[in-house]
Amino acid sequence: DAGITQSPRHKVTETGTPVTLRCHQTENHRYMYWYRQDPGHGLRLIHYSYGVKDTDKGEVSDGYSVSRSKTEDFLLTLESATSSQTSVYFCAISDTLVAGGGETQYFGPGTRLLVL
Amino acid sequence: DAKTTQPNSMESNEEEPVHLPCNHSTISGTDYIHWYRQLPSQGPEYVIHGLTSNVNNRMASLAIAEDRKSSTLILHRATLRDAAVYYCILRMRFGAGTRLTVKP
Repeated sequence: DAGITQSPRHKVTETGTPVTLRCHQTENHRYMYWYRQDPGHGLRLIHYSYGVKDTDKGEVSDGYSVSRSKTEDFLLTLESATSSQTSVYFCAISDTLVAGGGETQYFGPGTRLLVL
Repeated sequence: DAKTTQPNSMESNEEEPVHLPCNHSTISGTDYIHWYRQLPSQGPEYVIHGLTSNVNNRMASLAIAEDRKSSTLILHRATLRDAAVYYCILRMRFGAGTRLTVKP
């Protein structure tokens, strides 16, 4: 198994509070990704990083920010959580940028977030 | 955007082969076809990928149509541990996938 951990694994928070999710890898992969998974939508890309301090938006980035100050850590922040952000969040890593080629992603175990 | 279409669910008997179909009629010439699966309460895991030729690995086989507009993931002998949601993916865009149930 790829060395990817996510913390916390479960979180309950209230609307309007800030929330930070952490993804930590021990594989030294350059690329890291945050996805959310909701029933009927599969996984949707929120943000990704292509190096320390280098990030870009995915298809559902509104309401989320990310930071990557070290190769091994990628943080996802919900500045002011809303109920629509209740979801399961997955972190993934890859050696090369996932862009339709033969790249493989490795996923973390997920964080289940409930916003009340 | 390239899209994939999969049946919502399929059933199989244990130790029998399973053929999971995927349609991707808008695939471009350089798109690889990826398959991932997601076991209950886990993150997705890589199964197999290919471009044009059929591919085999220890987990499964991937059969790609000559026109590349469809593909089939083949599990040669389904086990109970293969019960999962299987995703056929282009450009890392996940759809709803196929939920595979394996009956003992």
